[in-house]
Amino acid sequence: AQSVTQLGSHVSVSEGALVLLRCNYSSSVPPYLFWYVQYPNQGLQLLLKYTTGATLVKGINGFEAEFKKSETSFHLTKPSAHMSDAAEYFCAVRSRNSGGSNYKLTFGKGTLLTVNP
Amino acid sequence: GAGVSQSPSNKVTEKGKDVELRCDPISGHTALYWYRQRLGQGLEFLIYFQGNSAPDKSGLPSDRFSAERTGESVSTLTIQRTQQEDSAVYLCASSPGTGWHIQYFGAGTRLSVL
Repeated sequence: AQSVTQLGSHVSVSEGALVLLRCNYSSSVPPYLFWYVQYPNQGLQLLLKYTTGATLVKGINGFEAEFKKSETSFHLTKPSAHMSDAAEYFCAVRSRNSGGSNYKLTFGKGTLLTVNP
Repeated sequence: GAGVSQSPSNKVTEKGKDVELRCDPISGHTALYWYRQRLGQGLEFLIYFQGNSAPDKSGLPSDRFSAERTGESVSTLTIQRTQQEDSAVYLCASSPGTGWHIQYFGAGTRLSVL
């Protein structure tokens, strides 16, 4: 069974500071990896995904994440935080196995990002 | 439509009442998913529809929960005899097909059971 752990339910940074949101997964085979963002009273929006190829992936709004197989991690970073980045961020995985219930996304519990002026 | 639409956006009900939550997926999307998001928790998978195939109901927490989908269009999630622990945000997502990696989410229905 797959699982996702997001370290830190709440991260607070100053505007202009580095953003680092941590995600580790547990899976027998490296899965597809996703980061979603949820703004207040809105649905989840895909930030970026890793399926294959280059392990450093770039997403929207200046975010990027690096898949590290040896560490089973997919941490999300942004060099300089903006006030508009304040939201909840979810890491999710999906099995690469064909068939079965590989369409299911397994989510972490989320990290609430606060950006201070 | 332009995106996944869910209604109502908020629902307050009394314990023991039945509720229906509606999801309009993106036009042409054959796959539809329901998730539940409890306060401080990640999303929990509830049910999955793909075209005319039998739905995957493995995530439904009890027999009080059921869902239907007409063809490749609207889906309704029904919760009978609601309990306080059913209070959550119920999110619907759709995708063009099973093999599609990205799921597109609606804004959710916030259900409060008093």
